[in-house]
Amino acid sequence: DAGVIQSPRHEVTEMGQEVTLRCKPISGHNSLFWYRQTMMRGLELLIYFNNNVPIDDSGMPEDRFSAKMPNASFSTLKIQPSEPRDSAVYFCASSLGWKSPLHFGNGTRLTVT
Amino acid sequence: DQQVKQNSPSLSVQEGRISILNCDYTNSMFDYFLWYKKYPAEGPTFLISISSIKDKNEDGRFTVFLNKSAKHLSLHIVPSQPGDSAVYFCAASVGNAGKSTFGDGTTLTVKP
Repeated sequence: DAGVIQSPRHEVTEMGQEVTLRCKPISGHNSLFWYRQTMMRGLELLIYFNNNVPIDDSGMPEDRFSAKMPNASFSTLKIQPSEPRDSAVYFCASSLGWKSPLHFGNGTRLTVT
Repeated sequence: DQQVKQNSPSLSVQEGRISILNCDYTNSMFDYFLWYKKYPAEGPTFLISISSIKDKNEDGRFTVFLNKSAKHLSLHIVPSQPGDSAVYFCAASVGNAGKSTFGDGTTLTVKP
């Protein structure tokens, strides 16, 4: 099993540009989560999906952030327009649901200059 | 208001000895607790969990203890090995384990 796959591993962009982060969850997992890690706020949940449906997006910081899950094997997190304060490591994780632990990808390190 | 706190940013132990990592929480509604381990440039990986109805859970060298009255949990690693050197995150959830609140992590260094 390849695990959760995220791309790109690193992204450097200029302020104002659109950024799209991608995630392929583990096959058979029905829940998908986007987390963000920063020095100031640690690991924080942005949004999660269950069976491809967004369940809780209360952690999404602003309307500049949006996430989609068009099918069970793919999700995107988009930031438009990006700002320097969005610089962070973004993790995607999947799970079998409820009391199952998270399986994290290796993250995308985003730098907005 | 930080609901999950790991007050020790770092811990250093000798190989073969016990490592004890601590975690405190404030939300009495948390009913499931997890520990994750993270190596540099990788995502966190699940280590061990415990339900609020238990006070201890063991898995090989790893044991998690839960003290609900004190709102405190700890992870014991015995014996510690150099490969255990990593950042350890405590996480707590209400219902859905994936919707977890994480602590800031403790960096464990195991010296050979």
